[in-house]
Amino acid sequence: DAGITQSPRHKVTETGTPVTLRCHQTENHRYMYWYRQDPGHGLRLIHYSYGVKDTDKGEVSDGYSVSRSKTEDFLLTLESATSSQTSVYFCAISEGTSVMADTQYFGPGTRLTVL
Amino acid sequence: QKEVEQNSGPLSVPEGAIASLNCTYSDRGSQSFFWYRQYSGKSPELIMSIYSNGDKEDGRFTAQLNKASQYVSLLIRDSQPSDSATYLCAVGFQKLVFGTGTRLLVSP
Repeated sequence: DAGITQSPRHKVTETGTPVTLRCHQTENHRYMYWYRQDPGHGLRLIHYSYGVKDTDKGEVSDGYSVSRSKTEDFLLTLESATSSQTSVYFCAISEGTSVMADTQYFGPGTRLTVL
Repeated sequence: QKEVEQNSGPLSVPEGAIASLNCTYSDRGSQSFFWYRQYSGKSPELIMSIYSNGDKEDGRFTAQLNKASQYVSLLIRDSQPSDSATYLCAVGFQKLVFGTGTRLLVSP
């Protein structure tokens, strides 16, 4: 397994509260990604990072922010959680330096419930 | 909007049969193509990657790519009950677009 951990693995929170999810890698890969997975929608990209302090938006970025201050850590923040953000969140990593080095490997996921 | 389409299934096959999973994509400039397997409650795990037209074989798995038809498929030979899972097709470079997955059921 790729060295990717996510914390917490499960979280229940209330509408309006801030939430931060952490992704940590030990592979020294340049690219890191946050996805959410919902029934009927598959995996959708929220934000991604292509280096320390270099991030960009994905398909469903509204309501989310990210930060990457170290190569190994990528944080996803929900500033004010809403029920529509109840989902399973996956972090992924890749070398991303060439077509042949673009395979993404996934972390174990975080199940977030917003009440 | 870049799209990846998969039949949601379920695709039911008996043990020992060949399972054929299909995927079409809209971005003609796509360079990388991946198949992931996802068991219920687990994270996606890579099965195959393919980058050029033709077939690529790895054990019981064969990925097929036809860029002219914008079509990628995954064949699973000698299907086993342990292959029962959802199979995700992903297309792109650095920013992948995923299909919604095909659920495969292999019956003993």
